[in-house]
Amino acid sequence: AQKITQTQPGMFVQEKEAVTLDCTYDTSDPSYGLFWYKQPSSGEMIFLIYQGSYDQQNATEGRYSLNFQKARKSANLVISASQLGDSAMYFCAMREVNTGGFKTIFGAGTRLFVKA
Amino acid sequence: DGGITQSPKYLFRKEGQNVTLSCEQNLNHDAMYWYRQDPGQGLRLIYYSQIVNDFQKGDIAEGYSVSREKKESFPLTVTSAQKNPTAFYLCASSTTATSGNTIYFGEGSWLTVV
Repeated sequence: AQKITQTQPGMFVQEKEAVTLDCTYDTSDPSYGLFWYKQPSSGEMIFLIYQGSYDQQNATEGRYSLNFQKARKSANLVISASQLGDSAMYFCAMREVNTGGFKTIFGAGTRLFVKA
Repeated sequence: DGGITQSPKYLFRKEGQNVTLSCEQNLNHDAMYWYRQDPGQGLRLIYYSQIVNDFQKGDIAEGYSVSREKKESFPLTVTSAQKNPTAFYLCASSTTATSGNTIYFGEGSWLTVV
């Protein structure tokens, strides 16, 4: 069954340091996509990064990188050089293509606090 | 500008009433989704639709209904059967061309039962 797990309810990081947010998933579909979204207190959902199940290299977008370990079914988000504006909720999501009909589910989220 | 429009942004419902949340997109996306978010929690999938005139139940469909008569519209009705409907509702859409699609979200609708 399709499942997404984020085990860190909250994380603290010092400004300018790197932080890793964990995400594990479970699926039997060989074709799937993994996403990370940021949700500030305003409630909007901001797309950060995407990784396809067949992608050979880890995705990167500016200060964001996705550490994709397919055999371990993990898709951790790494934020480098944290900024105060990075304080927000972060959600991992997965979409199954073949068996799920593009069903897309989200994890419970991790609240990140960046300290000055 | 292209995007997803949800309305109303704030809605109050009396117990026993049905309410409908509107979601319109002009992105020409095939897939549309409705999620529910409780305070401090993650997004839970209510319904999703891959194509016009077809939709599937998500993980928490009980007490909700949807329709997909037009590609650009995916309204959600919160029925009186939904016992705890107070939440933040997010509508989203994406293409179905490949698995690597960004999911675009509306600004959300706050529903409160009074």
